[in-house]
Amino acid sequence: AQKVTQAQTEISVVEKEDVTLDCVYETRDTTYYLFWYKQPPSGELVFLIRRNSFDEQNEISGRYSWNFQKSTSSFNFTITASQVVDSAVYFCALSEGAAGNKLTFGGGTRVLVKP
Amino acid sequence: DVKVTQSSRYLVKRTGEKVFLECVQDMDHENMFWYRQDPGLGLRLIYFSYDVKMKEKGDIPEGYSVSREKKERFSLILESASTNQTSMYLCASSLDSSGDNEQFFGPGTRLTVL
Repeated sequence: AQKVTQAQTEISVVEKEDVTLDCVYETRDTTYYLFWYKQPPSGELVFLIRRNSFDEQNEISGRYSWNFQKSTSSFNFTITASQVVDSAVYFCALSEGAAGNKLTFGGGTRVLVKP
Repeated sequence: DVKVTQSSRYLVKRTGEKVFLECVQDMDHENMFWYRQDPGLGLRLIYFSYDVKMKEKGDIPEGYSVSREKKERFSLILESASTNQTSMYLCASSLDSSGDNEQFFGPGTRLTVL
């Protein structure tokens, strides 16, 4: 069965520091999709990025970047020059190609950015 | 913009009560999901639906049932609420069953069972 592990439960940083969130996944499928979602204090999860298992190209989008490595089954997420508005819970999730659109979530990492 | 709405943000019920949580999406999505969120456990899938009147069990369906009579509405039912069902409940929808579709989430309902 698929599994997603986010080993860090909480990270506290001072504004402008970089933050890297770890995500390790397990799946037997060769086709799968990985996602990152952000849950701000308001509670509504917001989609950030998706990657499919055939696309290991890493991506940078503004202050966000993602590092997908199939060899280590990891899909890590970095916030550069963090801001107070980045304070939220971040979830990594996995969707297996054969399972339709069901998501398996990690336990989440709470990020607290202090001014 | 996709909008997923949930009937209540906060709900307090007594043990043994029948509880209905309603979710509505306005973008004609085929798939709808119910999750519960507990600290340290992330989101866990309770039930999902790929079509009207169709439902499938997720990872933790015990104690819950669902109803999808119309495409835009997906209801979660707690037949007899228990204290261990105190949690945050999140509804989501997605366009179809393609694995790469993102899910769009509602604001959540924080349910307390006394």
